[in-house]
Amino acid sequence: EDQVTQSPEALRLQEGESSSLNCSYTVSGLRGLFWYRQDPGKGPEFLFTLYSAGEEKEKERLKATLTKKESFLHITAPKPEDSATYLCAVPMFSGGYNKLIFGAGTRLAVHP
Amino acid sequence: DTGVSQDPRHKITKRGQNVTFRCDPISEHNRLYWYRQTLGQGPEFLTYFQNEAQLEKSRLLSDRFSAERPKGSFSTLEIQRTEQGDSAMYLCASSPSGAPYEQYFGPGTRLTVT
Repeated sequence: EDQVTQSPEALRLQEGESSSLNCSYTVSGLRGLFWYRQDPGKGPEFLFTLYSAGEEKEKERLKATLTKKESFLHITAPKPEDSATYLCAVPMFSGGYNKLIFGAGTRLAVHP
Repeated sequence: DTGVSQDPRHKITKRGQNVTFRCDPISEHNRLYWYRQTLGQGPEFLTYFQNEAQLEKSRLLSDRFSAERPKGSFSTLEIQRTEQGDSAMYLCASSPSGAPYEQYFGPGTRLTVT
């Protein structure tokens, strides 16, 4: 069964303290991996798409990387405004159509 | 603002009542998805439309749930005879035909069933 697992469930950082979030997946025939940011009470906001092992994408203080079994979201020198839940998802090819399978997310809190 | 919009943003209803939610996707997107999210979990897929055709439904979508997308534009999700277990955030997303995996989400409708 296709699965996406994120760790840790929650992470508390001091401002400026770099860290990484993990997303591991078991799907047959990976067609990409997606990172989203979700603020409380809002819908997920698209961050990155990674399609092949070794690929990296960067946006401000965030960098996403992908291997054959997992993806990392590295946060460098985070600021309080980076506090959010970070979700990863993979598409599941089902009957020719595509739906996203999400992990449960990592709740990040960055304190000044 | 040309993003995905949803209405209402919040809905409180009593058990047994019917509710209907609306989603307006990004105008050039032909694919539309409904997801449900409960506290502390990621979104779970409910159903998918390509243009006006409903092409897939999750087994999470019981007979009390129905979705439509007339004319391939906006979509509605109706829940009949609501139950307390239906309380959740209902999210709509859309994607373009050229990049079906890149789904853009709306702000969601928070449903509370009392």
